[in-house]
Amino acid sequence: GNSVTQMEGPVTLSEEAFLTINCTYTATGYPSLFWYVQYPGEGLQLLLKATKADDKGSNKGFEATYRKETTSFHLEKGSVQVSDSAVYFCALSDLGTGGGNKLTFGTGTQLKVEL
Amino acid sequence: GAVVSQHPSWVICKSGTSVKIECRSLDFQATTMFWYRQFPKQSLMLMATSNEGSKATYEQGVEKDKFLINHASLTLSTLTVTSAHPEDSSFYICSAKTGGGQPQHFGDGTRLSIL
Repeated sequence: GNSVTQMEGPVTLSEEAFLTINCTYTATGYPSLFWYVQYPGEGLQLLLKATKADDKGSNKGFEATYRKETTSFHLEKGSVQVSDSAVYFCALSDLGTGGGNKLTFGTGTQLKVEL
Repeated sequence: GAVVSQHPSWVICKSGTSVKIECRSLDFQATTMFWYRQFPKQSLMLMATSNEGSKATYEQGVEKDKFLINHASLTLSTLTVTSAHPEDSSFYICSAKTGGGQPQHFGDGTRLSIL
């Protein structure tokens, strides 16, 4: 079955530091990959996505590249801000299952950015 | 665009009562809606998938008689937790999507506390 593995948190960084949150996946077929962000007490917001191998998703300074050879979709940002503090979820959607594009989520990684 | 509204955002009620949570897509037609449950500091667990006008498809281990889902229109789905008990206390999140490979858009969640 499908699965997503994320690095455990919390990740604590100083403002303007470089961020990497690792994500690897296992899937049948050719999944689409997503990063979602959840701020305290809120639902999830789509941060970025990639639908095929070698695609790079990017948004708000975050980026992730769909690496089929390593089955990875690591999230990166060159310079984090305090406002980036949140929980980040990696997810995949296997279009081939006919299951209405269900998402499989990783366990989430909490990011804390300090001044 | 792609706004999903969830109501109420927080509800506290006595054990044994039933609670209804609404999920609305405000600016698009949602052919498919999903209901998730999230425990503190954990990932989202998919409870069920509903397509407009059809019965919901429940994930293994989710009691369909306990969690009633109705998706009567392209912009509204409801989750009713029947005869709620303290163990049903959780954060419930809905998402909605149009057809094909479009991403899910999430509501802000409902925090349910059963006393």
